[in-house]
Amino acid sequence: GNSVTQMEGPVTLSEEAFLTINCTYTATGYPSLFWYVQYPGEGLQLLLKATKADDKGSNKGFEATYRKETTSFHLEKGSVQVSDSAVYFCALRGSTLGRLYFGRGTQLTVWP
Amino acid sequence: NAGVTQTPKFRVLKTGQSMTLLCAQDMNHEYMYWYRQDPGMGLRLIHYSVGEGTTAKGEVPDGYNVSRLKKQNFLLGLESAAPSQTSVYFCASRYPPDRAEYNEQFFGPGTRLTVL
Repeated sequence: GNSVTQMEGPVTLSEEAFLTINCTYTATGYPSLFWYVQYPGEGLQLLLKATKADDKGSNKGFEATYRKETTSFHLEKGSVQVSDSAVYFCALRGSTLGRLYFGRGTQLTVWP
Repeated sequence: NAGVTQTPKFRVLKTGQSMTLLCAQDMNHEYMYWYRQDPGMGLRLIHYSVGEGTTAKGEVPDGYNVSRLKKQNFLLGLESAAPSQTSVYFCASRYPPDRAEYNEQFFGPGTRLTVL
């Protein structure tokens, strides 16, 4: 079946620190992979995506590479800002009906 | 475009009461979804719909019913609320797979429901 395992939080960093949030997946077939971000009191927003192996998704300084050999899609940012404080969800989309399977979410807090 | 909207934003119910959560989207999306978000659990799919007049069960459908009478609306009903249904509920929508834009699901802002 499909599942996503995400690094447990919370993660607390100082501004300009390097961020990695680990995500690994189990899937049948060839899933698409996503990172969603949820700011306080809001719904989820798509941060970046990758639809096939070796694709790199990027947005707002965040990057993640679809690694089929390690079934991973780790989120990275070279220099975090206070405004990046949010909950980050890794997700995969299976082939059937496009439903998303989410990880448990990682709370990121960035201090000035 | 308003995107995906949800009403109400907050609600407190007593055990056994009923209510309906409304999701509306103005992007002409075919597919719509209801998720619940619980601490440490991520989002779990309750029900979904692939078009007007169609609905199907997701991962955790028990205690919920849905209806999709109009393409732009997807209603989630709780007939007899239980404390275990205390959660944040998110609606989402997207295009079907034959559209190039279908990769992204658009989420509403959520409804925070507490059942006492």
